[in-house]
Amino acid sequence: GAGVSQSPSNKVTEKGKDVELRCDPISGHTALYWYRQSLGQGLEFLIYFQGNSAPDKSGLPSDRFSAERTGGSVSTLTIQRTQQEDSAVYLCASSLAGPTYEQYFGPGTRLTVT
Amino acid sequence: AQSVAQPEDQVNVAEGNPLTVKCTYSVSGNPYLFWYVQYPNRGLQFLLKYITGDNLVKGSYGFEAEFNKSQTSFHLKKPSALVSDSALYFCAVRWGLYNNNDMRFGAGTRLTVKP
Repeated sequence: GAGVSQSPSNKVTEKGKDVELRCDPISGHTALYWYRQSLGQGLEFLIYFQGNSAPDKSGLPSDRFSAERTGGSVSTLTIQRTQQEDSAVYLCASSLAGPTYEQYFGPGTRLTVT
Repeated sequence: AQSVAQPEDQVNVAEGNPLTVKCTYSVSGNPYLFWYVQYPNRGLQFLLKYITGDNLVKGSYGFEAEFNKSQTSFHLKKPSALVSDSALYFCAVRWGLYNNNDMRFGAGTRLTVKP
């Protein structure tokens, strides 16, 4: 079946511009996660959605970052007034609910802020 | 504090030799342990997990991992490495609360298999 998809695959933007990154999770997965990965480094948790519950936003690095998930499916991560330090690969993952289920990752969006 | 550690940034092995990528964890309660692999310019792919039961878990691409409760470890192993196994490997741990996002990823270990 279809996996997690993300768009765009690459995004180059000028400092100060806003960007939107999109994630389409696997159908039926109620949990959705956003992570940030700097060049060849580990994963930094950003935000987590589970069903209709309030999202866990504890990982968002600043108030320039926000995310929403519409209809329990597609999610959009928005970065306002981008800075050069926002340059990274943004990964989305989805899973079934519960701690024993593995996450399925999308291919990521590579964001470059010039 | 709940945490997971991958003590080696880099592991180098020759093709055909056995490989081990180390992972240790610190959680209260029962851990749920995962290994993921990331090939260049790709997202992470799930390899295997330990939830309960047999301490030796077998996964994709011939990989296996052994849960060792006394040593709080979950090392990834493969009997005979392939050049194509070269990638970035991440260990992750969760602990047992339903509907909870308490998941931690290790910093990653870069595996290089040389022909």
